[in-house]
Amino acid sequence: GAGVSQSPSNKVTEKGKDVELRCDPISGHTALYWYRQSLGQGLEFLIYFQGNSAPDKSGLPSDRFSAERTGGSVSTLTIQRTQQEDSAVYLCASHRAASVYGYTFGSGTRLTVV
Amino acid sequence: EDKVVQSPLSLVVHEGDTVTLNCSYEVTNFRSLLWYKQEKKAPTFLFMLTSSGIEKKSGRLSSILDKKELSSILNITATQTGDSAIYLCAIYNFNKFYFGSGTKLNVKP
Repeated sequence: GAGVSQSPSNKVTEKGKDVELRCDPISGHTALYWYRQSLGQGLEFLIYFQGNSAPDKSGLPSDRFSAERTGGSVSTLTIQRTQQEDSAVYLCASHRAASVYGYTFGSGTRLTVV
Repeated sequence: EDKVVQSPLSLVVHEGDTVTLNCSYEVTNFRSLLWYKQEKKAPTFLFMLTSSGIEKKSGRLSSILDKKELSSILNITATQTGDSAIYLCAIYNFNKFYFGSGTKLNVKP
């Protein structure tokens, strides 16, 4: 597609349930990022994938969070045993390797844990 | 440790005021500094700066980079309520983007 696609756009889940958020980057973009934005806050880096390199997981807030990227394309962010503080907008972004041009954000998934 | 620091964290002004937002950085292999505006979910691109001292301008917004001071400012003149948003600064270092925590601007009528 023309842009970075994220699904679902909104997700309401009960505390303690697991959720999966999906990101479809722009075709050919080898770099993919997940960010989290809580109400009124700036972007919080979660994880970064670059080609076949080991992902940079330094931003994941706890071991309940994990992400994978299959075939260098689609990425899934999984949150296990969700907590209310996980409620946020989760944003995915991608760009071509070693190029600032075309750095594109998806429209995000708004996660609400009740 | 690579980092991007924005100040102030939040700002409240009235329509017509001029505001200056700051971004300072410590990032190895700096290539570009980018400013984004975030009103809803996804940030929208404003400026990309690579050279010191060259002002980029778009309407009431302008920005300039000072590589010696490792900083940039984003100016908004004659602010409007529609300027209310979080303004994000990011550094690109040939490999990865680093974002600041943003400045939340609230423009009151």
